[in-house]
Amino acid sequence: GQQLNQSPQSMFIQEGEDVSMNCTSSSIFNTWLWYKQDPGEGPVLLIALYKAGELTSNGRLTAQFGITRKDSFLNISASIPSDVGIYFCAGRTSNTGKLIFGQGTTLQVKP
Amino acid sequence: NAGVTQTPKFQVLKTGQSMTLQCAQDMNHEYMSWYRQDPGMGLRLIHYSVGAGITDQGEVPNGYNVSRSTTEDFPLRLLSAAPSQTSVYFCASSYQGTQGYTFGSGTRLTVV
Repeated sequence: GQQLNQSPQSMFIQEGEDVSMNCTSSSIFNTWLWYKQDPGEGPVLLIALYKAGELTSNGRLTAQFGITRKDSFLNISASIPSDVGIYFCAGRTSNTGKLIFGQGTTLQVKP
Repeated sequence: NAGVTQTPKFQVLKTGQSMTLQCAQDMNHEYMSWYRQDPGMGLRLIHYSVGAGITDQGEVPNGYNVSRSTTEDFPLRLLSAAPSQTSVYFCASSYQGTQGYTFGSGTRLTVV
């Protein structure tokens, strides 16, 4: 079945540093989404990407939809303690609404 | 709007028992999905629905049943609970398949 490979699995960084994480797949996706999950909560949508090559920002977050449509990355600039959490990529291949998630990247920020 | 509401928040079952996890949304979303989350494995799709009366299997459907009789509700049924079904279950909904899903706060299920 479809699989998303997300890396790195975890990151421990210093406050103020930039962060980069990515997702790759053997399948082509029409939509890439990036979510953040805080402990004990459901994932919350950060950025949605709908076109190959699209680069979208949301505050300190920037994400890109890869040209091949098989990958996406998320950058966080100038990290702060509240960035701590699990970040998930998710991809959708068609209009079925079937959304597949990566394994997640756990981010820890040291003040 | 309440968004996506899941009940119960916590549940302990004995092996072999059955139960239904409830999910309701008040946003008139057509698309709804159920995921389970296990450590290190991300969110895995169990079943999904693109509208009332229409459901389909996801990545890990075995042991779970769903139905979608109304737009608002998408219950997940465990027919005979097993310890392997110990997990956190999330329900999510989307206005259209092209948009991002909104998630509920989850149901933490333990099967002993």
